[in-house]
Amino acid sequence: DTGVSQNPRHKITKRGQNVTFRCDPISEHNRLYWYRQTLGQGPEFLTYFQNEAQLEKSRLLSDRFSAERPKGSFSTLEIQRTEQGDSAMYLCASSSGPGAVYEQYFGPGTRLTVT
Amino acid sequence: AQSVAQPEDQVNVAEGNPLTVKCTYSVSGNPYLFWYVQYPNRGLQFLLKYITGDNLVKGSYGFEAEFNKSQTSFHLKKPSALVSDSALYFCAVSTVLTGGYNKLIFGAGTRLAVHP
Repeated sequence: DTGVSQNPRHKITKRGQNVTFRCDPISEHNRLYWYRQTLGQGPEFLTYFQNEAQLEKSRLLSDRFSAERPKGSFSTLEIQRTEQGDSAMYLCASSSGPGAVYEQYFGPGTRLTVT
Repeated sequence: AQSVAQPEDQVNVAEGNPLTVKCTYSVSGNPYLFWYVQYPNRGLQFLLKYITGDNLVKGSYGFEAEFNKSQTSFHLKKPSALVSDSALYFCAVSTVLTGGYNKLIFGAGTRLAVHP
């Protein structure tokens, strides 16, 4: 399968712990996005990478969140000192071209539950 | 600000009947519109997009969507529904961020239930 992959698929953690998620985009895609989806809502944009550069961050991405994309390949999203409000599905997407015309391909997501 | 509205939380349709899932949008400039489908425990799958040109866009799995600029709508349609079409459907608009790159703004989603 050459689609976008995400690991882990599910993560249960206690409040205050740190968690890290990984996304492997489609290999030829140099654009990578993170979204967060809560129950009953559509995905909300978190951050955008073009190659290894993080070019845009949403105000939803508080100081406890950090994302990286070393060498422009896979990406990681880390949440420090998790809170119950962080419970959500975290989606990664990638695309092959610039601008608005190229569709984004999504991974299966990582479901985070903070207890 | 760019936004997308999906006025129906759920749409129920009998198998074999035509289906419509509604979407309206608000954008400044030219709209770039998308439909995605989400099955349980799976990521969003791209169905179709409107960039420019013909107002009727054909996509995957027999779905199509009609772009209507005057009504600012982009409704998803299928002539004959299948039980396997039951899923969560999201309409999205692509908005250009500072620097020329884009992000997707999604509606809240519409759950489609197709009954045998």
